[in-house]
Amino acid sequence: EAGVAQSPRYKIIEKRQSVAFWCNPISGHATLYWYQQILGQGPKLLIQFQNNGVVDDSQLPKDRFSAERLKGVDSTLKIQPAKLEDSAVYLCASSLDRVSYEQYFGPGTRLTVT
Amino acid sequence: AQKVTQAQTEISVVEKEDVTLDCVYETRDTTYYLFWYKQPPSGELVFLIRRNSFDEQNEISGRYSWNFQKSTSSFNFTITASQVVDSAVYFCALSEAWDSGAGSYQLTFGKGTKLSVIP
Repeated sequence: EAGVAQSPRYKIIEKRQSVAFWCNPISGHATLYWYQQILGQGPKLLIQFQNNGVVDDSQLPKDRFSAERLKGVDSTLKIQPAKLEDSAVYLCASSLDRVSYEQYFGPGTRLTVT
Repeated sequence: AQKVTQAQTEISVVEKEDVTLDCVYETRDTTYYLFWYKQPPSGELVFLIRRNSFDEQNEISGRYSWNFQKSTSSFNFTITASQVVDSAVYFCALSEAWDSGAGSYQLTFGKGTKLSVIP
């Protein structure tokens, strides 16, 4: 079974530029999560989708971050404009459904904002 | 609010030594779930174990064992006879039973403990 796929793996941009990350969850998983992991810290949930609807985006900085999961499968997370403090690893995870405890994580995208 | 504390930032051990990673949590709920994840250098988090708050039995899986003590709000992880492949960052996480406001399970992670096993 294929795992959670993410691209790109690495991205370097200048502040005020925009960037987008892509995630393809495990086939059949209805719930998709985006986490931000700053160096030296644990992952922090940014947004959670159930199929193509948002379940929780309370910790998403909506003035600059946006995410979508239009067809209930893959998802895109965008940052516009980026700030230095957005430098982090962005992890995507999926689970069978919103009541499943086990989340499967992708390899992440390491973003460096200069 | 829920909180997870992993006081050990980094640990180094020599191969074949035993090592225990500490995890202390805070929650107001009586029903909750505790997790351990491993994050190797490749970056993806690997699920190791889930334990619910009503099950205080210790668990052993090969060289891994977990000690859950509600009285001290701790969920410690021991690796016996450590190997170089165990080198990684280990995260403890907590999920309260159901966040009705969010309609989801919210995973709160600790800051992680970086384990280095020296050959």
